Amino acid sequence: QKEVEQNSGPLSVPEGAIASLNCTYSDRGSQSFFWYRQYSGKSPELIMFIYSNGDKEDGRFTAQLNKASQYVSLLIRDSQPSDSATYLCAVYDATSGTYKYIFGTGTRLKVLA
Amino acid sequence: DVKVTQSSRYLVKRTGEKVFLECVQDMDHENMFWYRQDPGLGLRLIYFSYDVKMKEKGDIPEGYSVSREKKERFSLILESASTNQTSMYLCASSPRGADTQYFGPGTRLTVL
Repeated sequence: QKEVEQNSGPLSVPEGAIASLNCTYSDRGSQSFFWYRQYSGKSPELIMFIYSNGDKEDGRFTAQLNKASQYVSLLIRDSQPSDSATYLCAVYDATSGTYKYIFGTGTRLKVLA
Repeated sequence: DVKVTQSSRYLVKRTGEKVFLECVQDMDHENMFWYRQDPGLGLRLIYFSYDVKMKEKGDIPEGYSVSREKKERFSLILESASTNQTSMYLCASSPRGADTQYFGPGTRLTVL
């Protein structure tokens, strides 16, 4: 069973700090990696995607991918109370020839004002 | 602008009823997905479709069926609703290949 693991949290950080969210995955054939933000009662919205090893920055968000260690992380700089949400890591499974995405159960982030 | 819509935000049905959940996307995407999301279990794939009239079972297809007669529309059918199908149902679409999924607003279904 291919898996994506996340710490459920909550991860609490003070306003203005860096929040670091981590995700590990089991399938070495995974090609694409996504971070979604989900506010309570709402649907997931895409924040970042990354395909290659290394860092990818978009505003206050940085995604980091290490395929050798099979982990992907999301850094949120200058965290704001509005960043308080559940963050879902998703991995695209290309090995089976289908179009399946595998989601982690999410990490709940709380940014304290 | 990317848009995925779902027919209802909230739905209450009785045990044994046949339930239809509809999803429409306007992005000409080939792939469409139905998930359910439950606390502590994350998003679980029920069915997906990569073309009109094509469907593939996901991880938890039991008790569900789907229909895709037109490219933009993907329907989830609960043949005989049961209380354990009370959940948040999320529809998503994506273009062919390894790319991002776009989610609809979700339907919170309660089966009494």
